Amino acid sequence: GEDVEQSLFLSVREGDSSVINCTYTDSSSTYLYWYKQEPGAGLQLLTYIFSNMDMKQDQRLTVLLNKKDKHLSLRIADTQTGDSAIYFCAEIRSFQKLVFGTGTRLLVSP
Amino acid sequence: NAGVTQTPKFQVLKTGQSMTLQCAQDMNHNSMYWYRQDPGMGLRLIYYSASEGTTDKGEVPNGYNVSRLNKREFSLRLESAAPSQTSVYFCASSEAQGLNTGELFFGEGSRLTVL
Repeated sequence: GEDVEQSLFLSVREGDSSVINCTYTDSSSTYLYWYKQEPGAGLQLLTYIFSNMDMKQDQRLTVLLNKKDKHLSLRIADTQTGDSAIYFCAEIRSFQKLVFGTGTRLLVSP
Repeated sequence: NAGVTQTPKFQVLKTGQSMTLQCAQDMNHNSMYWYRQDPGMGLRLIYYSASEGTTDKGEVPNGYNVSRLNKREFSLRLESAAPSQTSVYFCASSEAQGLNTGELFFGEGSRLTVL
């Protein structure tokens, strides 16, 4: 199947905003997700968005969805060193099959 | 509350050896999953189980077998390990409802090296 694409690496300074981008494949996906993986750990759900929404805000996190271009982004405001992790977008490809992107490693420097 | 527990955390195998990765969840979830994580490739679904007694193939099932022993436990078996199966394996569970998987809860991972 086609891949869910993300850039591999992003480096920002503490206090800046981070924007992590994702291109997904299935225009019929009803839910799109962002997961976070800290070193040596499994993934944890950060946030998700319904496909009938353009934007969702949750504290420092803003998710933007462009269905026409199949583009999803995650913006982290006031990025902190504790936000350093790998971020995965994910889409539901078919019944209960959650397909993950390649992951973006975010490095936040002081 | 343990959540999702995987064992072992680390394992080194020789080519051709067999082993089973164990996974158990204590959240009474219906659905369970096995993923593998490789650098630059994200997580790829190996097998999943939508409910007790059922299993289905994911993206990369070749070389693996699974057993949904009961609602709590979902094991992954490598019958004849190959170096290409060197990876980090994650078990996950969810209270899936219909098409939506809902939130997946992950174990801490099992790092497998095949020499």
